[in-house]
Amino acid sequence: DADVTQTPRNRITKTGKRIMLECSQTKGHDRMYWYRQDPGLGLRLIYYSFDVKDINKGEISDGYSVSRQAQAKFSLSLESAIPNQTALYFCATSGQGATSGAYNEQFFGPGTRLTVL
Amino acid sequence: QKEVEQDPGPLSVPEGAIVSLNCTYSNSAFQYFMWYRQYSRKGPELLMYTYSSGNKEDGRFTAQVDKSSKYISLFIRDSQPSDSATYLCAMSLFSSNTGKLIFGQGTTLQVKP
Repeated sequence: DADVTQTPRNRITKTGKRIMLECSQTKGHDRMYWYRQDPGLGLRLIYYSFDVKDINKGEISDGYSVSRQAQAKFSLSLESAIPNQTALYFCATSGQGATSGAYNEQFFGPGTRLTVL
Repeated sequence: QKEVEQDPGPLSVPEGAIVSLNCTYSNSAFQYFMWYRQYSRKGPELLMYTYSSGNKEDGRFTAQVDKSSKYISLFIRDSQPSDSATYLCAMSLFSSNTGKLIFGQGTTLQVKP
């Protein structure tokens, strides 16, 4: 089974709808991240969480919210979806390791392709 | 200006060629430099990881960091069709230890048999 799973894998929705994307991990990592990927723009960080009680905004958090329901679960919500939120969304995790930079090794889920019409 | 710039390609080479992928950056405080590989319809996976300056080799892959020029490179020797993917450079600061990565736009590579 995959270490980082995302549901749904594909979603088509309409402008104004509320959407939730879910992420689960079995790696036992404390840190979780949500990114979006757009052609020509690479990956951009939306939110990140150090643990259940510590959630931080990333580079492009406007229009998004998150919830860390448990160490293993991190969900991303679009309160009122708009067409320019059409993108590929990735969840990632990282954990403590032997070196100071261990958190830089992030493990990504397979992605959710979201289309907002 | 983006903090990290990467030529999006696409780059197409014959099998066996040496491939050079590059990124430039503007923030001199970056200390960790990474290359992630992303196959079509998959999430990125860490390929190479370098702290500060210098070279690091792993099989057919060599990562090079030149902090004086704010330039990093990934070389792939004897490229194979299985190397066809998008390669993303990523960087982070030493002091933050947050795992906040700044990614380049990604370069799409195709290795033709």
